[in-house]
Amino acid sequence: DAEITQSPRHKITETGRQVTLACHQTWNHNNMFWYRQDLGHGLRLIHYSYGVHDTNKGEVSDGYSVSRSNTEDLPLTLESAASSQTSVYFCASSAGPTQPQHFGDGTRLSIL
Amino acid sequence: QKEVEQNSGPLSVPEGAIASLNCTYSDRGSQSFFWYRQYSGKSPELIMSIYSNGDKEDGRFTAQLNKASQYVSLLIRDSQPSDSATYLCAVKPRSGAGSYQLTFGKGTKLSVIP
Repeated sequence: DAEITQSPRHKITETGRQVTLACHQTWNHNNMFWYRQDLGHGLRLIHYSYGVHDTNKGEVSDGYSVSRSNTEDLPLTLESAASSQTSVYFCASSAGPTQPQHFGDGTRLSIL
Repeated sequence: QKEVEQNSGPLSVPEGAIASLNCTYSDRGSQSFFWYRQYSGKSPELIMSIYSNGDKEDGRFTAQLNKASQYVSLLIRDSQPSDSATYLCAVKPRSGAGSYQLTFGKGTKLSVIP
């Protein structure tokens, strides 16, 4: 079965470190998304991509970057981790503009 | 600013009752509407999609859409303790730039009491 996987599931790191969260989907979806979820804020869009070499900023993109070199993967990089970036991160993908998004299991990131 | 509003709850209903979850949205041109269920510590899971005015039923779940009132709801019949979760409403805006994005509400926490 097609799926979307995130790794690692949990990570603890220190402020100032560079961190990369992986997202891999086997749905062959062109559209991929990164969200963070915090209490009181719900799901907020960080970056998204509509295809290979396409990336776009979302609502809360400062301090984050993505790259899309193939259809399957959209890694999320925190260039210099800050404590405010402690959160749960979800990757999602969708087949098209009217189709729902399907989520990975999430990465719980703690920055000390 | 496109907004999706949900009552945060918690909404408590007895087992076997009907749970009614509501969502309003600000973008009148919105085209697609989704309900996700999220158990504590887990990822959002799609349970219903609705695209046109009226009701759509799937098992114990019924989604209702009223575009004129900019209102979408989810009814859960014969509520079970396993339905206890946070329910997220998501709305896709009208076509155009960013039209693949979804705007999520903050979710309503449902508790089904045995």
